[in-house]
Amino acid sequence: SAVISQKPSRDICQRGTSLTIQCQVDSQVTMMFWYRQQPGQSLTLIATANQGSEATYESGFVIDKFPISRPNLTFSTLTVSNLSPEDSSIYLCSVEASGALPPSSYEQYFGPGTRLTVT
Amino acid sequence: GENVEQHPSTLSVQEGDSAVIKCTYSDSASNYFPWYKQELGKGPQLIIDIRSNVGEKKDQRIAVTLNKTAKHFSLHITETQPEDSAVYFCAASIRNFGNEKLTFGTGTRLTIIP
Repeated sequence: SAVISQKPSRDICQRGTSLTIQCQVDSQVTMMFWYRQQPGQSLTLIATANQGSEATYESGFVIDKFPISRPNLTFSTLTVSNLSPEDSSIYLCSVEASGALPPSSYEQYFGPGTRLTVT
Repeated sequence: GENVEQHPSTLSVQEGDSAVIKCTYSDSASNYFPWYKQELGKGPQLIIDIRSNVGEKKDQRIAVTLNKTAKHFSLHITETQPEDSAVYFCAASIRNFGNEKLTFGTGTRLTIIP
């Protein structure tokens, strides 16, 4: 399994500004993912971030709005740019890591999330 | 792309009774089906998963069943306890190297009534 931390845990930001969210993992992982969870909704994948390559964005998400860095195998950042109230959501970091559930295999684990409110 | 439907959206169960949550998926190539539990203010926690070469898997009070022909899978929680109250998400993906994207269901809010 993997232990994932995110910073900040929550923030309130002004319209038009940006927020950078940090994700730290306790072990080296190849694949990291960023999700958005709007209030009371399911999880939507924003992008997949592999170390040493450009992030791959899902339909409806663009690099200019959600730039991602992946400088090493234990860390990633997601920036939400030019904030609007519609960006108010929980942003979740996730990693693919060796599983704890039998039989051992690769499974996806989530961080605690960053709750963003845009005013 | 994959589409996952989940039912019911809310479920209330008396403590000690069983709860069942059902999901259907659209892509017959999907071969990995995890279930996540999300408590208020926390990230989703992986509680059980099943791969397409298995029809059923159990872990204490939790079990998952998979019907590949009908393309549906279910989560069963027996002897429910108050701490089982949470939102549960099913998901599906195709487990190939470099393509592990999960598609999530819409979630089920489970309430255990003491």
